[in-house]
Amino acid sequence: DVKVTQSSRYLVKRTGEKVFLECVQDMDHENMFWYRQDPGLGLRLIYFSYDVKMKEKGDIPEGYSVSREKKERFSLILESASTNQTSMYLCASTGTAITPNTGELFFGEGSRLTVL
Amino acid sequence: GIQVEQSPPDLILQEGANSTLRCNFSDSVNNLQWFHQNPWGQLINLFYIPSGTKQNGRLSATTVATERYSLLYISSSQTTDSGVYFCAVRQLGTSYGKLTFGQGTILTVHP
Repeated sequence: DVKVTQSSRYLVKRTGEKVFLECVQDMDHENMFWYRQDPGLGLRLIYFSYDVKMKEKGDIPEGYSVSREKKERFSLILESASTNQTSMYLCASTGTAITPNTGELFFGEGSRLTVL
Repeated sequence: GIQVEQSPPDLILQEGANSTLRCNFSDSVNNLQWFHQNPWGQLINLFYIPSGTKQNGRLSATTVATERYSLLYISSSQTTDSGVYFCAVRQLGTSYGKLTFGQGTILTVHP
């Protein structure tokens, strides 16, 4: 069964702290994504990565950075957390859509971050 | 970029009722998925359906790519069907698997 695992389901951090959100997938997918979800704003793409050490900005990259040192792991970093980064963070992965169904996107369980 | 519109935004049903959720998109796509977000926030894959019709138990989905819409049918709804249903599409020519999401339909099923 496909699996995307996020390291923490719930986190509480203080303003100014450095925050790491980790995501691991076991499907040998090339592409990995970080989204945030807020009431009334839907899912918004923060960053994505299409290969090891490769990254692209999504729609709302400000205040975030990412790291992809290994194919299976994609980390989201909040260098200095702020209260407006309180949100639900969702990691996802997908393969390269060469054969049918390989472009299907799979999500982790989500990480709910509160910044005080 | 591509626009994705879901309707209705909210839907309230009694257990046992049937419903149809709609997803309209503004350009050609090579991927369309339906997800259910459970009360804990996890997005569960329902269908990967860029075209055609699929069925899985009480749920079925149809995508008419040439007319740029998809429908999700829920029959004999149960309280566990409650949650948010998202449609997401990949525009033709988009690289790296990026999907664009609709705003979702909030479904509430009462016992």
